[in-house]
Amino acid sequence: QSALTQPPSASGSPGQSVTISCTGTSGDVGGYNYVSWYQQHPGKAPKLMIYEVSKRPSGVPDRFSGSKSGNTASLTVSGLQAEDEAVYYCSSYAGSNNGEVFGGGTKLTVL
Amino acid sequence: QLQLQESGPGLVKPSETLSLTCTVSGGSVTNNNFYWGWIRQPPGKGLEWIGSIYYTGSTYYNPSLKSRVTLSVDTSKNQFSVRLSSLTAADTAVYYCARRLPRRDGYNWDYWGQGILVTVSS
Repeated sequence: QSALTQPPSASGSPGQSVTISCTGTSGDVGGYNYVSWYQQHPGKAPKLMIYEVSKRPSGVPDRFSGSKSGNTASLTVSGLQAEDEAVYYCSSYAGSNNGEVFGGGTKLTVL
Repeated sequence: QLQLQESGPGLVKPSETLSLTCTVSGGSVTNNNFYWGWIRQPPGKGLEWIGSIYYTGSTYYNPSLKSRVTLSVDTSKNQFSVRLSSLTAADTAVYYCARRLPRRDGYNWDYWGQGILVTVSS
């Protein structure tokens, strides 16, 4: 069971859009529509931002959107704001034998 | 409002067994709509799923930790717990307990505890 692959860092200026990728395999990201994205600020617990590839929980701004193509899922943050600076983790269901796998995290910097 | 709170030792010795408990308030571990579980994060590193449990006692473990992990639930105390044996320095991490929705509702972790730092050192 290998971790999902994310770029270590991403950045953008306020108001811009940035997209973070999350690459897995046909056994996880590509095989199921159970990809989630979590936002983590320093010293805090992760917060659910996207689930089932593209659904937003109540209270999450619509500036956050998700998509998937093949074995790669993506999180797009539009209209970047200073408070969006955080580490973002993707996760995916990986079948009944493997359970769940997370990505290594992407540090998003708002310039 | 649902709240989860981890408790346990902050320092354990190599080769020993770690026991952590998560106390749930504002909701019940016997709610058949949810699973409960543990996720850890080594300092400066990413998240790792440890395992999940249903109130009936059904368990699901990360294959890489399965030989060393045991999850349990105590419905009378509204708590669930994790035991991790044969500890090494690589098990040093912040351990989070969390609530997971089933696949029909999105298979995601929607409520998290604040986390507890566990250091493995002699």
